[in-house]
Amino acid sequence: GDSVTQMEGPVTLSEEAFLTINCTYTATGYPSLFWYVQYPGEGLQLLLKATKADDKGSNKGFEATYRKETTSFHLEKGSVQVSDSAVYFCALVYNFNKFYFGSGTKLNVKP
Amino acid sequence: DTGVSQDPRHKITKRGQNVTFRCDPISEHNRLYWYRQTLGQGPEFLTYFQNEAQLEKSRLLSDRFSAERPKGSFSTLEIQRTEQGDSAMYLCASSLARGGTYNEQFFGPGTRLTVL
Repeated sequence: GDSVTQMEGPVTLSEEAFLTINCTYTATGYPSLFWYVQYPGEGLQLLLKATKADDKGSNKGFEATYRKETTSFHLEKGSVQVSDSAVYFCALVYNFNKFYFGSGTKLNVKP
Repeated sequence: DTGVSQDPRHKITKRGQNVTFRCDPISEHNRLYWYRQTLGQGPEFLTYFQNEAQLEKSRLLSDRFSAERPKGSFSTLEIQRTEQGDSAMYLCASSLARGGTYNEQFFGPGTRLTVL
């Protein structure tokens, strides 16, 4: 069945460090891929998306490229800020527009 | 605020009691989704509606769970005879679906249920 696997956290970085959060997926068709972010006490917010292979999603300095050959959608940011501290969820959408989410990766950024 | 709202934000109940949650989607959105999120996990799909029709239910949605969206606007999720394993965050999301294209789902803040 369809599923998403993402790296376990927490990930702790110093401000301005480079961030990578790994995400791989299993899908029987051609899903769209997403990263959602959940700040403390808030609901899930769409961070970026890619709807087909080789697409790159980007937003707020974050990027992720849809790699069909490696079934991956890794999240990257060149220089993290304390305000980026949150839980990040990788997800795919396939059939009926329902999401399959990964288990989330908590990011802590220290000043 | 025109986002998705959920009520209550927190609910504590005793095992065996019934609880009902409400979700108010973004007003023009025709699709409404319910998810459950347990600690340390990502949200899991429960069910979704297109207008007032419930189009899919997950196997996670046991007979004790029922969801309605009677007028195609707000939705309720009821859990009967609650069990401690029902303790979780219940998330609602809505989207405006047109044809076969995907449209972004907007999530509410969730209702946190604790069953004692």
